[in-house]
Amino acid sequence: KNQVEQSPQSLIILEGKNCTLQCNYTVSPFSNLRWYKQDTGRGPVSLTIMTFSENTKSNGRYTATLDADTKQSSLHITASQLSDSASYICVVSAAGGSYIPTFGRGTSLIVHP
Amino acid sequence: NAGVTQTPKFQVLKTGQSMTLQCAQDMNHEYMSWYRQDPGMGLRLIHYSVGAGITDQGEVPNGYNVSRSTTEDFPLRLLSAAPSQTSVYFCASSYGGREGSPLHFGNGTRLTVT
Repeated sequence: KNQVEQSPQSLIILEGKNCTLQCNYTVSPFSNLRWYKQDTGRGPVSLTIMTFSENTKSNGRYTATLDADTKQSSLHITASQLSDSASYICVVSAAGGSYIPTFGRGTSLIVHP
Repeated sequence: NAGVTQTPKFQVLKTGQSMTLQCAQDMNHEYMSWYRQDPGMGLRLIHYSVGAGITDQGEVPNGYNVSRSTTEDFPLRLLSAAPSQTSVYFCASSYGGREGSPLHFGNGTRLTVT
């Protein structure tokens, strides 16, 4: 069964600090992995996509990594801001034309001033 | 572009009542889907559609019906609401729907069934 596990479940950091969120998956065959950011009371918004051939991709202060061999991804947030407080969801899609991606349960990040 | 619009934002139902959650998108996306989000459970797929006239079941379809008569609209119907259907419901759309296409989500409908 395809699964996506995220850790930690929740995280509290001080403004300006860095943090790293983890995503482990067992989806096969692998097509791509997306990180979404979900602000409170809003729908998720895509931050970045990682495909099999990509190891690292940056989007401003967000940097995603992918290790397809160990089936792990991380999302690193640099110099955190209060606006980074949100839930971060890892979503993995299988190759072969599937319309049903596999969602992780998310990491809730709180950034304190 | 308004993106994906969901109505209503909040709804309270009594057990056994029926209602329709509305979802509309203005991006001409072929793929549309409904998810429910419960605390600690993440997003779970209810139903999806790959084009007008075509719908299919997701992981948790029981108690819900959908139809897709136009590209723009994808309503979700609760035939006889149950307390277990208390949740936040998200509609999402994407171009094509297959791997590689980002999902565009609405801002959700918070449903409480008493």
